[in-house]
Amino acid sequence: KQEVTQIPAALSVPEGENLVLNCSFTDSAIYNLQWFRQDPGKGLTSLLLIQSSQREQTSGRLNASLDKSSGRSTLYIAASQPGDSATYLCAVVKDSNYQLIWGAGTKLIIKP
Amino acid sequence: GAGVSQSPSNKVTEKGKDVELRCDPISGHTALYWYRQSLGQGLEFLIYFQGNSAPDKSGLPSDRFSAERTGGSVSTLTIQRTQQEDSAVYLCASSPQRGLAYEQYFGPGTRLTVT
Repeated sequence: KQEVTQIPAALSVPEGENLVLNCSFTDSAIYNLQWFRQDPGKGLTSLLLIQSSQREQTSGRLNASLDKSSGRSTLYIAASQPGDSATYLCAVVKDSNYQLIWGAGTKLIIKP
Repeated sequence: GAGVSQSPSNKVTEKGKDVELRCDPISGHTALYWYRQSLGQGLEFLIYFQGNSAPDKSGLPSDRFSAERTGGSVSTLTIQRTQQEDSAVYLCASSPQRGLAYEQYFGPGTRLTVT
């Protein structure tokens, strides 16, 4: 059974710092991995999608990497801003299953 | 363009009542998903529709839950005889194709509270 773990559960850093959020999964047979952010009381916003054949994806100050063999992905946020404060979720799609299997999320607080 | 929309945004109902939650996917998206986000439980898959194929209902927690998708577009999730443990945020997502290589785009969710 695929399980997705995110560490840390919460993180608080001063504005301007670079930071890394971690996601690990137990079954390396995935089709893709997707990072989302969730703002309080709001829905999910897709940030980056990495297909299983890819190693990383970049969008602005965000960079997501994928190491299938080790079952790990990281989300790197450069020059953090207070507006980055949100819960960040990673989710994977298995090769035989189109469902998103979710981590519990990392609650990020960027202090001005 | 318009994103995924859901209605109502909030629903408070008494235990034992039936509720209907609506999802309007992005136009042209053939795949539609329902997820539930419960406090302390995280996100879980409920049901998946792809085009005219039979839906995958494997995530529905009980036979009180059902969903339909009319005309390959709008979907309705129905919960019969609601229980307090049904309280959660119900999220709908759509995708341009079967969700193996394509992103899922989420609506704002419906917060259901069963009293």
